[in-house]
Amino acid sequence: GESVGLHLPTLSVQEGDNSIINCAYSNSASDYFIWYKQESGKGPQFIIDIRSNMDKRQGQRVTVLLNKTVKHLSLQIAATQPGDSAVYFCAENYNAGNMLTFGGGTRLMVKP
Amino acid sequence: NAGVTQTPKFRVLKTGQSMTLLCAQDMNHEYMYWYRQDPGMGLRLIHYSVGEGTTAKGEVPDGYNVSRLKKQNFLLGLESAAPSQTSVYFCASSYSRGGDQETQYFGPGTRLLVL
Repeated sequence: GESVGLHLPTLSVQEGDNSIINCAYSNSASDYFIWYKQESGKGPQFIIDIRSNMDKRQGQRVTVLLNKTVKHLSLQIAATQPGDSAVYFCAENYNAGNMLTFGGGTRLMVKP
Repeated sequence: NAGVTQTPKFRVLKTGQSMTLLCAQDMNHEYMYWYRQDPGMGLRLIHYSVGEGTTAKGEVPDGYNVSRLKKQNFLLGLESAAPSQTSVYFCASSYSRGGDQETQYFGPGTRLLVL
């Protein structure tokens, strides 16, 4: 079936650098996408979302980019900090109720 | 607001035992969900509810039952636990479909070990 996936399972960056986490989705009917952050031993925490009628959305230090042509989603974190170390999941929602399909996750490790 | 809370935080069961996981939310959300998360994998939807008194199957419903007798509570039951149900269980809630209300908010999780 169609699913959401991630290109890189682990990403290691230097503190202060920018991080880019990528996600590929295959369901062209998806109209809503969310990035979640999950710290060890905790539940996923909402970071930022974007609708399919947008290409870019910015939050505080985070930006999500959506490329519908190639079905690609990315999360950019500016000036990465040690507190950003976590597993990041992308999720998609298509027109099938309020169900989200999650990707497998990317672990971000920030080196001091 | 406490957000989404889950009880218990950790539980050990023997094969064949039963238990109920409780999820509560104080955000007046219509939708509630139960997921399981296994090592190295993303979240998989077990069951969900679009309102009080209604439930529906998700991706991996076998071996689980749910009930939504009150809007703020969503219970997940294991009638006869199996080792394959060892996992971390997350509850989530959201307003409803449409606009920014689709965002799901998660509880802290329940770690279940079935021996």
